[in-house]
Amino acid sequence: DAKTTQPPSMDCAEGRAANLPCNHSTISGNEYVYWYRQIHSQGPQYIIHGLKNNETNEMASLIITEDRKSSTLILPHATLRDTAVYYCIANSGGSNYKLTFGKGTLLTVNP
Amino acid sequence: GAVVSQHPSWVICKSGTSVKIECRSLDFQATTMFWYRQFPKQSLMLMATSNEGSKATYEQGVEKDKFLINHASLTLSTLTVTSAHPEDSSFYICSARDQRRGEGEKLFFGSGTQLSVL
Repeated sequence: DAKTTQPPSMDCAEGRAANLPCNHSTISGNEYVYWYRQIHSQGPQYIIHGLKNNETNEMASLIITEDRKSSTLILPHATLRDTAVYYCIANSGGSNYKLTFGKGTLLTVNP
Repeated sequence: GAVVSQHPSWVICKSGTSVKIECRSLDFQATTMFWYRQFPKQSLMLMATSNEGSKATYEQGVEKDKFLINHASLTLSTLTVTSAHPEDSSFYICSARDQRRGEGEKLFFGSGTQLSVL
């Protein structure tokens, strides 16, 4: 898996968009970018994943740069319940599917 | 999203006893499940990959005789911590790989088991 780098922590005001960056400069062409989050003392929750194109679902949007060396997870209207550790993971899937979690970004949404 | 049930949520046991943790995929079949452990203020560490009908694959440094994994059906994997000691106290989390059409390559996680060994 390509190594990913995330800032250790970020703050965001409630109701504003939260933009979480992730660098994956050594990502290979067949590796997806996955985002998960973990609220304190719970199991991680899947958010979104993508390969090349930008993706959007009911939780978030994923913007992947054209060279695929970095991506941004966007929570359009952050709420207090979005406070969590957010993990960005690169993996090729298939028979190599095995997600390894780094330290992630602790996002704190403030009232 | 898919539902993965993990039981028990927390367990306290005496040193030297064995503890079994169950992980069930409730609405899909999972040929592959993963077991993680997490110490306070640290990230998840992958322990092993559990494959239905075959032996689990353990990550480097994880004792297979200490952490017994059984994946006897497409909806159930179990982790048994044998002869538990205080250093085994941790948060254990299972996950199941959902490969159904339309779900893509996603992992769904259980709610975790907090193990405290006295």
